[in-house]
Amino acid sequence: GQQLNQSPQSMFIQEGEDVSMNCTSSSIFNTWLWYKQDPGEGPVLLIALYKAGELTSNGRLTAQFGITRKDSFLNISASIPSDVGIYFCAATSGNTGKLIFGQGTTLQVKP
Amino acid sequence: DAMVIQNPRYQVTQFGKPVTLSCSQTLNHNVMYWYQQKSSQAPKLLFHYYDKDFNNEADTPDNFQSRRPNTSFCFLDIRSPGLGDAAMYLCATSRGPGIDTQYFGPGTRLTVL
Repeated sequence: GQQLNQSPQSMFIQEGEDVSMNCTSSSIFNTWLWYKQDPGEGPVLLIALYKAGELTSNGRLTAQFGITRKDSFLNISASIPSDVGIYFCAATSGNTGKLIFGQGTTLQVKP
Repeated sequence: DAMVIQNPRYQVTQFGKPVTLSCSQTLNHNVMYWYQQKSSQAPKLLFHYYDKDFNNEADTPDNFQSRRPNTSFCFLDIRSPGLGDAAMYLCATSRGPGIDTQYFGPGTRLTVL
């Protein structure tokens, strides 16, 4: 079945550092989404990507929809303590609207 | 603000005692989803409604049922909760199955004693 491989699994960084995480797959997708989940809360949508090659920013966050439609990355610049959480990539490939999730990247930021 | 609301945020039930979780949305979205999320894992889709059409995932246990009485509300019923059903339950919505962005509620944390 379709699967997303998200890496790294976890990151422990110093405040102010830039962060990069990515998702890859052997399948082609039409939409890539990046969510952040805080402990005890639901995932919050950060960035949605709908077109191959699309590069989109949301404040300090930048994400790209890979040109092959099989991958996506998320960058966070100048990390701050409130960036702590689990980041999930997710993707869909058709009209079902079903999301395929990556395994998540746990980010910890040291002040 | 338009949003997805889940009640209660925390639910404690006893083994085998039926429980109902609630989701409402002000986004006027056609599709509503229920996910189960266990610790350190990605959300797992249980089922979804596209308008009044119910779509069950093949591996969702019969113990889990859902109702959508109108566009705004959707309920998750767990008929006989077991210890393995303790999890975070997430509701999400989207405009339509071909419009893929899903917006999640804050979740209900279910504890089974």
